Amino acid sequence: AQSVTQLDSHVSVSEGTPVLLRCNYSSSYSPSLFWYVQHPNKGLQLLLKYTSAATLVKGINGFEAEFKKSETSFHLTKPSAHMSDAAEYFCVVSDGTGFQKLVFGTGTRLLVSP
Amino acid sequence: EPEVTQTPSHQVTQMGQEVILRCVPISNHLYFYWYRQILGQKVEFLVSFYNNEISEKSEIFDDQFSVERPDGSNFTLKIRSTKLEDSAMYFCAAFGERGTDTQYFGPGTRLTVL
Repeated sequence: AQSVTQLDSHVSVSEGTPVLLRCNYSSSYSPSLFWYVQHPNKGLQLLLKYTSAATLVKGINGFEAEFKKSETSFHLTKPSAHMSDAAEYFCVVSDGTGFQKLVFGTGTRLLVSP
Repeated sequence: EPEVTQTPSHQVTQMGQEVILRCVPISNHLYFYWYRQILGQKVEFLVSFYNNEISEKSEIFDDQFSVERPDGSNFTLKIRSTKLEDSAMYFCAAFGERGTDTQYFGPGTRLTVL
């Protein structure tokens, strides 16, 4: 079975400093991996996805993630945090059956201070 | 960006009542899903639906739950007799070709069972 582990429940950064949200995955297949963001009282928005093409994936709003098979990691980064980045971030893996049932991590809440 | 819509945005009901949550997927999408997120917890898979039948369901999706796509557009989740623990945000998701598309989420329906 597929699973993801988000290593931090909360991450606090100052505006303008780098962001690192950590995710490790477990998969029997070659996984598809995603990062979704959820702003307060909003739905889930796709930030980026990895589907076995380039290992460095660029997403929206300046976010990117690197797939590292040797470390089974898919960490999300951004060079410079903005106040509007404050939200809940979910690392997600698909189950590889082709029906793409998604398995979510527990989420990391990003707090951005001025 | 393509949009999945859900109605209502917020539903309040009494325990034991039936509720129907509605989703309008993107027109060319073939695979449909319901997920739920209990307050403060991670997003959980409920059910997937393809070709007018359930393709997979989780252990959460018991006999109180049902899904259908009666008119080829709306995709509904019915809870026959709601319990307090059904209170959650329910997300609909959809995508198109197997293995080649992104799963798009609706904005969610917040269900409150009193």
